[in-house]
Amino acid sequence: QKEVEQNSGPLSVPEGAIASLNCTYSDRGSQSFFWYRQYSGKSPELIMSIYSNGDKEDGRFTAQLNKASQYVSLLIRDSQPSDSATYLCAVSNAGGTSYGKLTFGQGTILTVHP
Amino acid sequence: DAGVTQSPTHLIKTRGQQVTLRCSPKSGHDTVSWYQQALGQGPQFIFQYYEEEERQRGNFPDRFSGHQFPNYSSELNVNALLLGDSALYLCASSWDRVTDTQYFGPGTRLTVL
Repeated sequence: QKEVEQNSGPLSVPEGAIASLNCTYSDRGSQSFFWYRQYSGKSPELIMSIYSNGDKEDGRFTAQLNKASQYVSLLIRDSQPSDSATYLCAVSNAGGTSYGKLTFGQGTILTVHP
Repeated sequence: DAGVTQSPTHLIKTRGQQVTLRCSPKSGHDTVSWYQQALGQGPQFIFQYYEEEERQRGNFPDRFSGHQFPNYSSELNVNALLLGDSALYLCASSWDRVTDTQYFGPGTRLTVL
């Protein structure tokens, strides 16, 4: 079992629709959860972070965390063609004085078509 | 406020050679992590430096080594390059060990021929 798994893509949605990206993780000690967006040929850009169960909203983005189910998701509302990119789910086991590392999923390619 | 910077942007080497990649963290950040991203894959953790010491290491051979300087900048060295070392090498910096929020630089694209 992979440590971090994302829903297989690619995912294609029409402009204005809601894009739903999912991620599961295996380490129950994980403390922090991130979504990065990566455009082709560029480096990952942090778009959302979430640390406690529930929803966190930032503009058109909503991250959801369920630690009991070891599940993280990202919803993109009113999807735009500029949202077309690879979305990476990352999990960290850092906490307090321990040193963390990010473990990434394989990424989900999202295409928003006009 | 400058973000994470990396140099060089691109690099072409031949098998068996050695390479050094450089990274400067965001202002105020004291921890640097290095990742390798092969085409079509998520980044893989190589190692992390804090207070000039390697604090964590991923599943990479000893050919991969690093260093952190007193100004928090860092270098990644790879010896005896293999074709499989061709990848995007990413540096990420952070300061908050509670949340471990990491910000990435633009990366160095290494091609090994």
